[in-house]
Amino acid sequence: AQSVTQPDIHITVSEGASLELRCNYSYGATPYLFWYVQSPGQGLQLLLKYFSGDTLVQGIKGFEAEFKRSQSSFNLRKPSVHWSDAAEYFCAVVYSNTGKLIFGQGTTLQVKP
Amino acid sequence: DAGITQSPRYKITETGRQVTLMCHQTWSHSYMFWYRQDLGHGLRLIYYSAAADITDKGEVPDGYVVSRSKTENFPLTLESATRSQTSVYFCASKEAETQYFGPGTRLLVL
Repeated sequence: AQSVTQPDIHITVSEGASLELRCNYSYGATPYLFWYVQSPGQGLQLLLKYFSGDTLVQGIKGFEAEFKRSQSSFNLRKPSVHWSDAAEYFCAVVYSNTGKLIFGQGTTLQVKP
Repeated sequence: DAGITQSPRYKITETGRQVTLMCHQTWSHSYMFWYRQDLGHGLRLIYYSAAADITDKGEVPDGYVVSRSKTENFPLTLESATRSQTSVYFCASKEAETQYFGPGTRLLVL
């Protein structure tokens, strides 16, 4: 079945430290990949997306993600985390043959001062 | 401002009452969606619409009704609310393969 896995339910990093959030998707038809962020009490905001081309994509708020087809991964990174980055992060995928958006279970990021 | 708006943002109702959650988008996107978000279940698709007057069921449609008489509006109705429908509801619209989400409606059914 088509699925998205975010192995880390909860991550804590210190402010200023680097961040990597992991995302793996199940092998299937051409994937379109997304990262969304949800701050407490808010909706989902699109951080970045990958459809094709350069496998390193830049997003808003200083985030980037790298698509690795051989590893079926689309990990999100940020070189230096700010306290305002504390939120829940969702990886999501649309497979070209279904058009359905499939979400991972989310990773909650806590930022220590 | 352009985008997706949802109303109300917060709603408390009682079991058995009818409740309608509104969703409005200003982009004229063809596709619109309703999701619910619950702890332990993530986001689940309730209904979606490919265009005005075209709607289809998602994963968890039971107890919900939708309509789409105009492209910009996609209301979700709980015909007889149950406690299990206490949740946060998100509306979204789609351009190409990218979905954009509204701010959500927090619904509490007592």
